[in-house]
Amino acid sequence: ETGVTQSPTHLIKTRGQQVTLRCSSQSGHNTVSWYQQALGQGPQFIFQYYREEENGRGNFPPRFSGLQFPNYSSELNVNALELDDSALYLCASSLLREILSTDTQYFGPGTRLTVL
Amino acid sequence: LAKTTQPISMDSYEGQEVNITCSHNNIATNDYITWYQQFPSQGPRFIIQGYKTKVTNEVASLFIPADRKSSTLSLPRVSLSDTAVYYCLVGESQLGSGGSYIPTFGRGTSLIVHP
Repeated sequence: ETGVTQSPTHLIKTRGQQVTLRCSSQSGHNTVSWYQQALGQGPQFIFQYYREEENGRGNFPPRFSGLQFPNYSSELNVNALELDDSALYLCASSLLREILSTDTQYFGPGTRLTVL
Repeated sequence: LAKTTQPISMDSYEGQEVNITCSHNNIATNDYITWYQQFPSQGPRFIIQGYKTKVTNEVASLFIPADRKSSTLSLPRVSLSDTAVYYCLVGESQLGSGGSYIPTFGRGTSLIVHP
């Protein structure tokens, strides 16, 4: 069983550019969530995808968008990058069921994005 | 969505037991309590999850009183490698009801273990 993987590990962009971050979910998981973690802060929930559809969104603007693919891998896209977008971006996978259940998330190592 | 309150930081020494308490006064009936551990520049790692009373696994214990308004993560005999930030989360998945689960991490508790 493989864990959650993310690519790239590090990335440097300039203001106004666009970036795509990638995540491969843990085997058997059907849900992926993305988080932004600024230095010294806890992870902030961006959105979650379940069966290729958005299943919840945090307080982030529309320039943060995502995709989930049939193999449950995922992408996070950020357009018009701003300096404040510099952060560690975390992907987490989990197994959601069609009933009320707990959501134990398994995180990847993250992508460190620096916007200059 | 239940909010949580934890101490910002704690210090301990190798071999001691460490207890980190999280307050969640408005926890809902169906909410579970989950604790994560995070090392610098790594993703959080699941430690333990519980609903009531006591849960124990190979790395920690979780104590939840009857009113469930707080929970205590207990780390037995800590070592230097337990130095990390610990997060308490409260909530549940609501896929079946048509809602969505928005997990909320606070700033966590920064635990420093000294030699």
